[in-house]
Amino acid sequence: DVKVTQSSRYLVKRTGEKVFLECVQDMDHENMFWYRQDPGLGLRLIYFSYDVKMKEKGDIPEGYSVSREKKERFSLILESASTNQTSMYLCASSLSGTRTYEQYFGPGTRLTVT
Amino acid sequence: AQSVTQPDIHITVSEGASLELRCNYSYGATPYLFWYVQSPGQGLQLLLKYFSGDTLVQGIKGFEAEFKRSQSSFNLRKPSVHWSDAAEYLCAVGAYGNQFYFGTGTSLTVIP
Repeated sequence: DVKVTQSSRYLVKRTGEKVFLECVQDMDHENMFWYRQDPGLGLRLIYFSYDVKMKEKGDIPEGYSVSREKKERFSLILESASTNQTSMYLCASSLSGTRTYEQYFGPGTRLTVT
Repeated sequence: AQSVTQPDIHITVSEGASLELRCNYSYGATPYLFWYVQSPGQGLQLLLKYFSGDTLVQGIKGFEAEFKRSQSSFNLRKPSVHWSDAAEYLCAVGAYGNQFYFGTGTSLTVIP
């Protein structure tokens, strides 16, 4: 089974702190994704990566950055956390190929910024 | 532009009743379609997927979905709902470049 793990299930940070969310997948997937999930807005793509050291902006990249130094690991960074970044953050991974493959999700990190 | 609409924000059914969750998509090419389930506080689990071929696809936990190109729909069905099916259900279309577009979800409550 594909396994996607996230470093924390719950996280509480203060406004202005730098926050790191880590995601690791064990299936050698090329693609990795970071989403945030908010009530009534569904899942919104923040950033994705299709290869090591490669990244692409999603729909809502402002206030976030990412890092992918190794194939299995994709980090989301909040440079200066703000209260409007309080949300559920979901990481996903998928194969890459000639068609669109299903994404496999981690359990999520619920981040609260106070 | 690609988009997914789940018209029903919340649905309540009695245990043992049948279920149909609606999903409509907008996508210019042949769509790759997915249904996921999310239990409270959890990540998303893939229920089923459609890439091509038979328009009626079977998934896990007794769910099925039917792709109707003429209606741009991919509705999820289950003949008899169990209390454990109470969860959030999300429909998604996979676009070129492996990006997904998700609907806003339908929350299912099951009455004993």
